[in-house]
Amino acid sequence: GAVVSQHPSRVICKSGTSVKIECRSLDFQATTMFWYRQFPKQSLMLMATSNEGSKATYEQGVEKDKFLINHASLTLSTLTVTSAHPEDSSFYICSTGLNTEAFFGQGTRLTVV
Amino acid sequence: QKEVEQNSGPLSVPEGAIASLNCTYSDRGSQSFFWYRQYSGKSPELIMSIYSNGDKEDGRFTAQLNKASQYVSLLIRDSQPSDSATYLCASRSGSARQLTFGSGTQLTVLP
Repeated sequence: GAVVSQHPSRVICKSGTSVKIECRSLDFQATTMFWYRQFPKQSLMLMATSNEGSKATYEQGVEKDKFLINHASLTLSTLTVTSAHPEDSSFYICSTGLNTEAFFGQGTRLTVV
Repeated sequence: QKEVEQNSGPLSVPEGAIASLNCTYSDRGSQSFFWYRQYSGKSPELIMSIYSNGDKEDGRFTAQLNKASQYVSLLIRDSQPSDSATYLCASRSGSARQLTFGSGTQLTVLP
């Protein structure tokens, strides 16, 4: 299966600061990446679809100005949580696909204090 | 709204027993189905994929799909304590790239 590397695995930041999460596909070119958020004991909720060379597509209720997505190359997509607040504390996971299957990054545990 | 429904559990089975996990989906256009295992604090890992009606076996795992009933299941034979995790059912519709996930079933295998 495909290898997707996500960094950092864990970050603690102060309220009001911004955090950047990187997601890299290591062994194939990913034109599309997906960003999910998962709160404790809940399922993965799709936040946005990142498209290489074009604007990301955001799901309803997700603020595009708060969650900035950049997909400048075929191997790297980044999610920046701007002006983070404690309610943004969550587990963020990126994913991309190969054939019909989805492969996930290791996830980033964000804690905003 | 496209939905994937799972019993959240928790489901407890003794070691060596068969664990049965169930999932229903509402979108009849769904064509691909997946079972992921997620340990606490980790990202999901793919256990099984199934695309056609019937059973698909891989080691101790068997996925079952019934498109008429819009039902997918996962059987884990000879359950081990290391199988204790949350199991996520997911579907993909047609040419869509993204998956729709169920809420997950927490499984505990008791030694």
